[in-house]
Amino acid sequence: QKEVEQNSGPLSVPEGAIASLNCTYSDRGSQSFFWYRQYSGKSPELIMSIYSNGDKEDGRFTAQLNKASQYVSLLIRDSQPSDSATYLCADDSGGGADGLTFGKGTHLIIQP
Amino acid sequence: GAVVSQHPSWVICKSGTSVKIECRSLDFQATTMFWYRQFPKQSLMLMATSNEGSKATYEQGVEKDKFLINHASLTLSTLTVTSAHPEDSSFYICSARALDSSSYEQYFGPGTRLTVT
Repeated sequence: QKEVEQNSGPLSVPEGAIASLNCTYSDRGSQSFFWYRQYSGKSPELIMSIYSNGDKEDGRFTAQLNKASQYVSLLIRDSQPSDSATYLCADDSGGGADGLTFGKGTHLIIQP
Repeated sequence: GAVVSQHPSWVICKSGTSVKIECRSLDFQATTMFWYRQFPKQSLMLMATSNEGSKATYEQGVEKDKFLINHASLTLSTLTVTSAHPEDSSFYICSARALDSSSYEQYFGPGTRLTVT
């Protein structure tokens, strides 16, 4: 059974610091990985997608993928209180034809 | 772009009745739509995958006769919860993948909160 593992937290980070979120996945065949942000009572919002080993940067966000270690991470630079949310890691091992397998999410708290 | 809507945003129904939830891709055509369910303090769990014009594929443990999915067009999929029970109370979220997309990104609707009394 495909699994995506995340530390549920909460992860508390001071405002302005770097928040580091981690995720591991079990399916070696997975090729596509996603980070979603979910505020309480809302649906997930896509932050980043990453398909190749290495880093991918988008504004304050950097996603990192290491397929050999089956590890995905998300760095948030200059953390803001508005970044406080649950961050969901997901993989898509079906090449777009299947739904996503989500981790349980990491609850991030940015302390002003 | 890539906006997905759901209707209704919340619904309360009595045990034993049926509820229909609509999912629409507003500015793109979706080859595939997905239905997820999220219980409090838990992550999203995929219920079924829906392709336009064909039968939905259900995940293990999801009753296809209870959760009826119809994908009538490239912009509309519906989920009907039949004979709802209190344990069906949950947050139901659909997502869609664009027809002409070269990426595997899925765009989520705002969700429908179902409460069965």
